Amino acid sequence: QVQLQQWGAGLLKPSETLSLTCAVYGGSFSGYYWSWIRQPPGKGLEWIGEINHSGSTNYNPSLKSRVTISVDTSKNQFSLKLSSVTAADTAVYYCARNRGFINIDYYYYYMDVWGKGTTVTVSS
Amino acid sequence: SSELTQDPAVSVALGQTVRITCQGDSLRSYYASWYQQKPGQAPVLVIYGKNNRPSGIPDRFSGSSSGNTASLTITGAQAEDEADYYCNSRDSSGNHRVVFGGGTKLTVL
Repeated sequence: QVQLQQWGAGLLKPSETLSLTCAVYGGSFSGYYWSWIRQPPGKGLEWIGEINHSGSTNYNPSLKSRVTISVDTSKNQFSLKLSSVTAADTAVYYCARNRGFINIDYYYYYMDVWGKGTTVTVSS
Repeated sequence: SSELTQDPAVSVALGQTVRITCQGDSLRSYYASWYQQKPGQAPVLVIYGKNNRPSGIPDRFSGSSSGNTASLTITGAQAEDEADYYCNSRDSSGNHRVVFGGGTKLTVL
């Protein structure tokens, strides 16, 4: 049973850098993409970006200039850094495992395992 | 367009059937996946692909798709199904972006 355990600083001041890490336990790290998603208070889910075991990344264009996602395959971990945070970055941040493949002429894409979430508050 | 559109809120009487829909251009190429989120909890995958349920998801949850619209159907809604539901897919324009619908708040009356 794959489990994701995430951690990181929960209170930041404006202009600081958010840093979170997600560790993968109980399953393979390679062969998947791993995502970060966030959810501001009372709002919906927003995808931040993803990385695979070899370090290939994709980012949400709206956050790309401030986001870095990295991987440490020796520890089965991946990390998120978001620079120059503001109050608008206050949210619960989740990590998740991506699954994706094509079957005949239709694509499958889903996130089947999620971390419990980390609340990050940006306040002066 | 890379957006997914959901109705903000839907209600259903206990034991009745409810359909939650999700519209977007990417759904012409991608099956939507569906997530249930209860207050204070992480999202849980309930439907993926053509109509697949992860282990542990009750069979009253089902999925379907036609054109640019995907649907999540709950047949015989239970009180514990009251939650927010999100659809999700990858953007089909080739930029690898992942998109979520705005979410539907399901109330079981």
